[in-house]
Amino acid sequence: GAGVSQTPSNKVTEKGKYVELRCDPISGHTALYWYRQSLGQGPEFLIYFQGTGAADDSGLPNDRFFAVRPEGSVSTLKIQRTERGDSAVYLCASSDSGSSYNEQFFGPGTRLTVL
Amino acid sequence: AQTVTQSQPEMSVQEAETVTLSCTYDTSESNYYLFWYKQPPSRQMILVIRQEAYKQQNATENRFSVNFQKAAKSFSLKISDSQLGDTAMYFCAFTIQGAQKLVFGQGTRLTINP
Repeated sequence: GAGVSQTPSNKVTEKGKYVELRCDPISGHTALYWYRQSLGQGPEFLIYFQGTGAADDSGLPNDRFFAVRPEGSVSTLKIQRTERGDSAVYLCASSDSGSSYNEQFFGPGTRLTVL
Repeated sequence: AQTVTQSQPEMSVQEAETVTLSCTYDTSESNYYLFWYKQPPSRQMILVIRQEAYKQQNATENRFSVNFQKAAKSFSLKISDSQLGDTAMYFCAFTIQGAQKLVFGQGTRLTINP
């Protein structure tokens, strides 16, 4: 079956612009996660959805970052007033429940470059 | 706060050799889970192996096995009979029971040479 997909694969924007990053999880997966991976680092947690609600958004760095999952499937990560420090690969993952032991299936990521 | 440390930024071995990647973690929790993920150049993270902290027996998955030392908070990954396709970044990750977010280490870049 299809895995987690993310669009676009690459996004170049200018400082101060608004961007949206999309994640399509594996069909039927109720849990969805966003992580940010800076160059040479491991992924850092941003936000976790169980169904339509954000169950844990403790990793969002500031109020410029926002994510939604209105129908419990596709999710969009939104970044306002982008800064050069936002440049990173944004990874999305999904799992079939919120169990801590469940495997998280990752997408290929969106590489965001802020000029 | 939970932290994961991978002290080997890069490793390189010859094909068919055995290689061990190190990982230590810090937590005050007693129930948690540990994972090793592989990230090839395609960027897609793939689960290699996982371990429940309450299980004393070390997990194995074909050529991959772990050495879990709970008291030392150590979780190393051993790859036996290494193959060219094992070349990738390897990340150790951790989550506590009841939480869902993974905490990752900095990664180890592993190169398998022909």
